[in-house]
Amino acid sequence: AQTVTQSQPEMSVQEAETVTLSCTYDTSENNYYLFWYKQPPSRQMILVIRQEAYKQQNATENRFSVNFQKAAKSFSLKISDSQLGDTAMYFCAFMKFGYALNFGKGTSLLVTP
Amino acid sequence: EPEVTQTPSHQVTQMGQEVILRCVPISNHLYFYWYRQILGQKVEFLVSFYNNEISEKSEIFDDQFSVERPDGSNFTLKIRSTKLEDSAMYFCASTIGTGGEQYFGPGTRLTVT
Repeated sequence: AQTVTQSQPEMSVQEAETVTLSCTYDTSENNYYLFWYKQPPSRQMILVIRQEAYKQQNATENRFSVNFQKAAKSFSLKISDSQLGDTAMYFCAFMKFGYALNFGKGTSLLVTP
Repeated sequence: EPEVTQTPSHQVTQMGQEVILRCVPISNHLYFYWYRQILGQKVEFLVSFYNNEISEKSEIFDDQFSVERPDGSNFTLKIRSTKLEDSAMYFCASTIGTGGEQYFGPGTRLTVT
């Protein structure tokens, strides 16, 4: 079974600064996808970014980017120019092709003024 | 923009009672999922459904749980005899195909007393 580890239970960053959230995973699969989901206090699950394992290029969505290191099984999320609205729980998730999402325990991010 | 909807938003029930949680996936999606999140914990996979049958289920999804797609739009999760530990947020998700982004509904908060 795949495991997803987020080693930072809580993080804090000042507005406009950059923060990196860590995620590692364990799998013997070659075809898979990785995701970062954001869960604000409303508890809605919102997709932030996705990465296909076969793509070497790191995914980017506006202020959000990932550092995908396939050999190291590492998938970190970088948030640039942090905004107060980025305050949320962030979950890293692994998905073997054709199967369900397997989530990490999450990192609680607080953006302060 | 199409979205996944879930009803009710909050359900309170007594231990031992049956509950049905309802979801309306995005209309052209083919794969449907239920996840749950106990307060303060990670999101856990329960079951996936495709072509009118269960395609995958976790060890959490025991005999007290069942899923159904009674018509062309609804997707339901039934818990036959609720226990205190079933108290959680239940999320429905859908995707157009394997490997695609899973779109989450807003969740149903189930409280078992």
